[in-house]
Amino acid sequence: GDSVTQMEGPVTLSEEAFLTINCTYTATGYPSLFWYVQYPGEGLQLLLKATKADDKGSNKGFEATYRKETTSFHLEKGSVQVSDSAVYFCALNRKNTDKLIFGTGTRLQVFP
Amino acid sequence: EAQVTQNPRYLITVTGKKLTVTCSQNMNHEYMSWYRQDPGLGLRQIYYSMNVEVTDKGDVPEGYKVSRKEKRNFPLILESPSPNQTSLYFCASNKRGQGGSGELFFGEGSRLTVL
Repeated sequence: GDSVTQMEGPVTLSEEAFLTINCTYTATGYPSLFWYVQYPGEGLQLLLKATKADDKGSNKGFEATYRKETTSFHLEKGSVQVSDSAVYFCALNRKNTDKLIFGTGTRLQVFP
Repeated sequence: EAQVTQNPRYLITVTGKKLTVTCSQNMNHEYMSWYRQDPGLGLRQIYYSMNVEVTDKGDVPEGYKVSRKEKRNFPLILESPSPNQTSLYFCASNKRGQGGSGELFFGEGSRLTVL
């Protein structure tokens, strides 16, 4: 079945460091891919998405590129801030379906 | 303000005492879903609903019930809670027909502890 694999956390960085959180997927066909973010005490919210191969999603300085050849959608940010501390979830869904399949989440901790 | 509202946010109960977690959305979304979040397991879907009076099981439906009598509401019912249902629960909604846009709108979560 479809699945999403994320790197284990926590990821601990100093402010202004470069961030990469790895995400790979297994799915039939060509799913849409997403990153959701969960700040402490809150629900998940969409961070960015990509709907087809080679698309790049971006938002708030974060980027991820849909790589069909490596079935990956790694999240990157050039310079993290303390306020980026949160749990990040990679997810997929098949076209024309509503169900999202989530990875296990990666906690990011950024220190001043 | 567009939102998904869950209640209660926190609840401690005992084994076997029926409880209901309410969920309401004000965005006129057709699709609604319940997830539970557990450490190391991520989010797993419990039940979902495509529209009023249409519900179906997700990946972990055992021990739960749902109903969808109105478009805006999608309560989660635990008829006889057990300690393994201690978890963080999220309700989410989505407007269907967007070609799988995937933008689920989440509530703030309900933390349930079953003793």
